[in-house]
Amino acid sequence: EVQLVESGGGLVKPGGSLRLSCAASGFIFSAYTMNWVRQTPGKGLEWLSSISSSSTYIFYADSVKGRFTISRDNAKNSLYLQMNNLRAEDTAVYFCASGYDYFDYWGQGTLLPVSS
Amino acid sequence: SSELTQDPAVSVALGQTVRITCQGDSLRSSYASWYQQKPGQAPVLVIYAKNNRPSGIPDRFSGSTSGNTASLTITGAQAEDEADYYCNSRDSSAYRPVVFGGGTKLTVL
Repeated sequence: EVQLVESGGGLVKPGGSLRLSCAASGFIFSAYTMNWVRQTPGKGLEWLSSISSSSTYIFYADSVKGRFTISRDNAKNSLYLQMNNLRAEDTAVYFCASGYDYFDYWGQGTLLPVSS
Repeated sequence: SSELTQDPAVSVALGQTVRITCQGDSLRSSYASWYQQKPGQAPVLVIYAKNNRPSGIPDRFSGSTSGNTASLTITGAQAEDEADYYCNSRDSSAYRPVVFGGGTKLTVL
């Protein structure tokens, strides 16, 4: 059974930093492009970042470029999102998702409130 | 443009057919995928590569594309289909390779 489990969310102050993790199991993690997607409370989905299977290709949405860094450790079947200089508007549920042309598996998400 | 536009809300009578649309220039060169999201849950892929269903998705869900418009059709909508539906596609713009539509709230009456 494919599982993606996010962790690392929690209340952080504006300007703070946090690292999210996504633990993968049930599929060949090292063969898949992985992604981070977020959802502001009551709003739609926003793609944030993608990383290719061997980390060769990395892309970011303009809204997080320069502040967020995606990475992965294929030996640990894990995906990460380092988030710096957090803003109130970064408050959202953060999902990891697998896939390139389409996102076939999603984690349950981790909530990140950014507030003083 | 690298945007995908969806109607905010659509309703359908129980057992009837409903079409949810998604418009955007990226759809002229990339397939749309569709996701169903129920309150408090993660999105679930329901259609990919224009008209393929993952295992476990009922065959009442189908997809199609014409020009810059992709459609998700639910033939014989059920109460459990009430959810938010999002489209997405890859975008040839190097600066933002993935784009999501704003979502459509489907109400089954």
